[in-house]
Amino acid sequence: SQTIHQWPATLVQPVGSPLSLECTVEGTSNPNLYWYRQAAGRGLQLLFYSVGIGQISSEVPQNLSASRPQDRQFILSSKKLLLSDSGFYLCAWRLAANYGYTFGSGTRLTVV
Amino acid sequence: KNEVEQSPQNLTAQEGEFITINCSYSVGISALHWLQQHPGGGIVSLFMLSSGKKKHGRLIATINIQEKHSSLHITASHPRDSAVYICAAVRGAQKLVFGQGTRLTINP
Repeated sequence: SQTIHQWPATLVQPVGSPLSLECTVEGTSNPNLYWYRQAAGRGLQLLFYSVGIGQISSEVPQNLSASRPQDRQFILSSKKLLLSDSGFYLCAWRLAANYGYTFGSGTRLTVV
Repeated sequence: KNEVEQSPQNLTAQEGEFITINCSYSVGISALHWLQQHPGGGIVSLFMLSSGKKKHGRLIATINIQEKHSSLHITASHPRDSAVYICAAVRGAQKLVFGQGTRLTINP
């Protein structure tokens, strides 16, 4: 069966420090992968998506970047965190368009 | 105005009550998702629908494409149903546009 792993679950980082959040999917090949963010008191927002290795599309210009070094690995990064990067980050996958989404358990990031 | 609007924002009910959460959208979509987010933050996908009605256990989701409206119903509600329920509209090939969520609290 397919599973999605996301870590860490919580993270407290100082302003200006780097960030790396990792998401991996098991049990499927060539999934569509997504990073979403939920800022405090706000709805979810799509940050990046990838339909294949090395293919990254950005929805919102920001301080973050994403990479897909392997078929089932999706990484969210920042070189220097801002206070406004605080939020709840969710990774998700689906087999293709018109399929349902499966979400990871999320990472709660607090930038201090 | 948000592209996807949910109502109510907060809902408190007694165990056993029939619950309805509404979702309206203002743009063309190919499908709509209903998601459940628990206090820890994890999200579970409940339904994906593009027409008609779907049922899973005590949960029922309906969508009216012409009226750009979807509803999520919970029959015989239980305290474990307490969560935030989010509708998300599928726009284009990859983009989900989320409602702001409805916080549901079921009291025993």
